[in-house]
Amino acid sequence: AQSVTQLGSHVSVSEGALVLLRCNYSSSVPPYLFWYVQYPNQGLQLLLKYTSAATLVKGINGFEAEFKKSETSFHLTKPSAHMSDAAEYFCAVSDQNPNTGNQFYFGTGTSLTVIP
Amino acid sequence: GAVVSQHPSRVICKSGTSVKIECRSLDFQATTMFWYRQFPKQSLMLMATSNEGSKATYEQGVEKDKFLINHASLTLSTLTVTSAHPEDSSFYICSVPGEGLETQYFGPGTRLLVL
Repeated sequence: AQSVTQLGSHVSVSEGALVLLRCNYSSSVPPYLFWYVQYPNQGLQLLLKYTSAATLVKGINGFEAEFKKSETSFHLTKPSAHMSDAAEYFCAVSDQNPNTGNQFYFGTGTSLTVIP
Repeated sequence: GAVVSQHPSRVICKSGTSVKIECRSLDFQATTMFWYRQFPKQSLMLMATSNEGSKATYEQGVEKDKFLINHASLTLSTLTVTSAHPEDSSFYICSVPGEGLETQYFGPGTRLLVL
C-alpha cells in the first residue's frame, strides 16, 4: 500500500531563508512521488515529480526535491523563500497501477508562511 | 499536459437540493477521471474513480447514492451531490491521469456551500 506522511502541518520561514518541507513515503512498489502547491481556493499545481530517474529533481519556481530511498524521504527545498511561496504544499505518491488509472495518495499538507 | 476545467467554480445551494459539478478534459481524452473532496485545512481525499462506459468505483465510506458520478464521454465526468446537506460543504476537485502514469492533471476545484 502507498502512503505519505508530511511532518509539520505549518512551517514559517523568513523571506530569503531556506524552505524545507518534509515528506516520507511508504510504497510497496518503486514509488512515483510528487509535490503539488495549492493557493487559496484553487486547484493543485504540479511543482515537481520523481519517476525513477535522477534522484535530485528540479521543479518550477526554484523548488527541488531529493529522493532518498534509504530514508524513504522526498523532502522539498528552496534556497530562498519568496513571499509568493506562501501556500499549501502536498506530497503525493502514486500506485502506478494502470488498472486503477494511477491513484494518488496525498499527505495531509504543509502550510507555508513567509514572514517579511 | 492536459487542461482540466470544472464548472461551476463555486455554488451555494439550499439544504435538500441537488448540485451537479462538471469536470472536463479540454485537450485529452480520459477514460478515467478522479473525484476528490477537500475539507478546510485538510488534504485531498479520493472519493471515487470515474470510468467512461462503466460504473464509477467508490472509495470506502463514500455513499454511492449520494454522490452520483456519470462519465458521459471521454472528456466529461459529472459529480452530482444529491439532497445536499451542510456537511457536504467542501471543495471538490477532479483530476485526469496523464499518459504513462507519471502524473495527474487537476481541475481548479468547485467550492460547494450548502446552507
